[in-house]
Amino acid sequence: AQTVTQSQPEMSVQEAETVTLSCTYDTSESDYYLFWYKQPPSRQMILVIRQEAYKQQNATENRFSVNFQKAAKSFSLKISDSQLGDAAMYFCAYRRPVHGSASKIIFGSGTRLSIRP
Amino acid sequence: NAGVTQTPKFQVLKTGQSMTLQCAQDMNHEYMSWYRQDPGMGLRLIHYSVGAGITDQGEVPNGYNVSRSTTEDFPLRLLSAAPSQTSVYFCASGIRQVAGNQETQYFGPGTRLLVL
Repeated sequence: AQTVTQSQPEMSVQEAETVTLSCTYDTSESDYYLFWYKQPPSRQMILVIRQEAYKQQNATENRFSVNFQKAAKSFSLKISDSQLGDAAMYFCAYRRPVHGSASKIIFGSGTRLSIRP
Repeated sequence: NAGVTQTPKFQVLKTGQSMTLQCAQDMNHEYMSWYRQDPGMGLRLIHYSVGAGITDQGEVPNGYNVSRSTTEDFPLRLLSAAPSQTSVYFCASGIRQVAGNQETQYFGPGTRLLVL
């Protein structure tokens, strides 16, 4: 069974600095998708970034980028130039390819990120 | 597009009561799912559906029923509420993957349920 582990329950960073959130996963599949979701106090789940396992290039979305190490099964999120609005719970998630079955997402337990002004 | 909507936003139930959490999406997505979120446990999949008339169980299906009579709606039913079902419930919808292209799930705002 696939698992997703986030070993940092809480992280804190100074505004404008860079922070990296860690995520490891376990799977026997060779093709899959990885995600980072942000959950602000409003509790809405917001997709931050997505990575396809077959792509070697790390995904980037503005100030958000990932370091995808497929052999190590590691998928960290780097937030550059941290802003107060980045404060939220961040979830790492895994999804295996559909191939005729349902698209089930497995979530990690989350990392609460706080931003110091 | 309204996206994914959930009602109610908050509900208090007594043990043994039944209720239905509503979820609707207007994006014509095939895939819909229900998750519950508990402190320190991330989100856990309850039930999911890959299209109208098709549903299946996720990680924690016990105590919940679902049906998918239309593409737009995916209600979650609690037949006899228990305190262990106190949680925040999220509905999500997404496009079924085709040819390895992009796929994104969209989450609703959540329903906070308290069972006394």
